Amino acid sequence: KAGVTQTPRYLIKTRGQQVTLSCSPISGHRSVSWYQQTPGQGLQFLFEYFSETQRNKGNFPGRFSGRQFSNSRSEMNVSTLELGDSALYLCASSLSVAGGAKEQYFGPGTRLTVT
Amino acid sequence: DQQVKQNSPSLSVQEGRISILNCDYTNSMFDYFLWYKKYPAEGPTFLISISSIKDKNEDGRFTVFLNKSAKHLSLHIVPSQPGDSAVYFCAASANTGNQFYFGTGTSLTVIP
Repeated sequence: KAGVTQTPRYLIKTRGQQVTLSCSPISGHRSVSWYQQTPGQGLQFLFEYFSETQRNKGNFPGRFSGRQFSNSRSEMNVSTLELGDSALYLCASSLSVAGGAKEQYFGPGTRLTVT
Repeated sequence: DQQVKQNSPSLSVQEGRISILNCDYTNSMFDYFLWYKKYPAEGPTFLISISSIKDKNEDGRFTVFLNKSAKHLSLHIVPSQPGDSAVYFCAASANTGNQFYFGTGTSLTVIP
């Protein structure tokens, strides 16, 4: 089975621009979560989508948004980029069967640099 | 507010010995815990999980122990191998979907 894929792997954007990141989950996985990783902060939860609906949301400003398509692929959008948005953005997929295991499988991440 | 804490940023262990990585949490609603290993420039790789109905889970060289009263879990790697050198993250979730809270990681170095 193919793993979680994320595109692009690297991005350089200018402050004020917007950016869209893409994630394709493992086949059969319906839950997709997004995380931001910055030095010293570990992984911070952004949001989770399940069956095209946002199921959980972390403590990030409204400039961060996402969506999920019927094939479970997900996109994350950041508008009006700030220097502090420079980070590794990780996507994770999960089967998310009720009462079942909740292991998340991560993609390689997208390294976003805002200048 | 860091609900999951890994207080040791780094750990060095001789090859063949036991590595013990620790994790503390503050939220008593957490009922599912994961450990991940991460190499530079890669996403985290799932290692092992434990739910709150257990106090131990074992998978090969990896064992996770959960002490609910102390809100503490640990990952034991026996024997440690140089290929285990990586950053290890613990993560916790309450029974509310897949929102996981991660610690800041412990960098493990296994010395040949």
